[in-house]
Amino acid sequence: EDQVTQSPEALRLQEGESSSLNCSYTVSGLRGLFWYRQDPGKGPEFLFTLYSAGEEKEKERLKATLTKKESFLHITAPKPEDSATYLCAVQASNTGFQKLVFGTGTRLLVSP
Amino acid sequence: NAGVTQTPKFQVLKTGQSMTLQCAQDMNHNSMYWYRQDPGMGLRLIYYSASEGTTDKGEVPNGYNVSRLNKREFSLRLESAAPSQTSVYFCASRATTGTLGYTFGSGTRLTVV
Repeated sequence: EDQVTQSPEALRLQEGESSSLNCSYTVSGLRGLFWYRQDPGKGPEFLFTLYSAGEEKEKERLKATLTKKESFLHITAPKPEDSATYLCAVQASNTGFQKLVFGTGTRLLVSP
Repeated sequence: NAGVTQTPKFQVLKTGQSMTLQCAQDMNHNSMYWYRQDPGMGLRLIYYSASEGTTDKGEVPNGYNVSRLNKREFSLRLESAAPSQTSVYFCASRATTGTLGYTFGSGTRLTVV
């Protein structure tokens, strides 16, 4: 069974304090790994797709990396507006592209 | 450029009542999805439609039905609501090619009492 585990569940940082969020996954063939940001009361917002081990993607203060068993979302010098829940999801090749399996997310709070 | 629009945003139902959640996208996407989000459970797929005229069950389809009305619209119906269906429901769409992830709507918060 495809599974996604995110850690930590919650993370509190001071503004400018860099850190990383972890997404561990088990799938029978990875088609893609997705990162989303979700603000309270809103739908998830797409950030990145990673397809193969060693791949990296960057967007402003965020950098996503991928290995064969996990992905990291690195946040460099975060600002209060980076506070949100960050979701990781995987798409397995044996299910076609129709289904994403989501983790439960990491709630990030960045204090001024 | 509205993206994915869901209505209503909030709804309270009594046990046994029925309702339909509406979803429309204006991005000419072929695939559309319905997810529910519960605390500690993550997003779970209820039903999806790979293309106009087709629908398939996801992970948690019991108690729900869907209709792909046309390429733009995908509705979710609860025939006889139960308290276990209290959740936040998200509609999403995706193109069949390309590297972009799903585009989600802003959600419907449903409470069944």
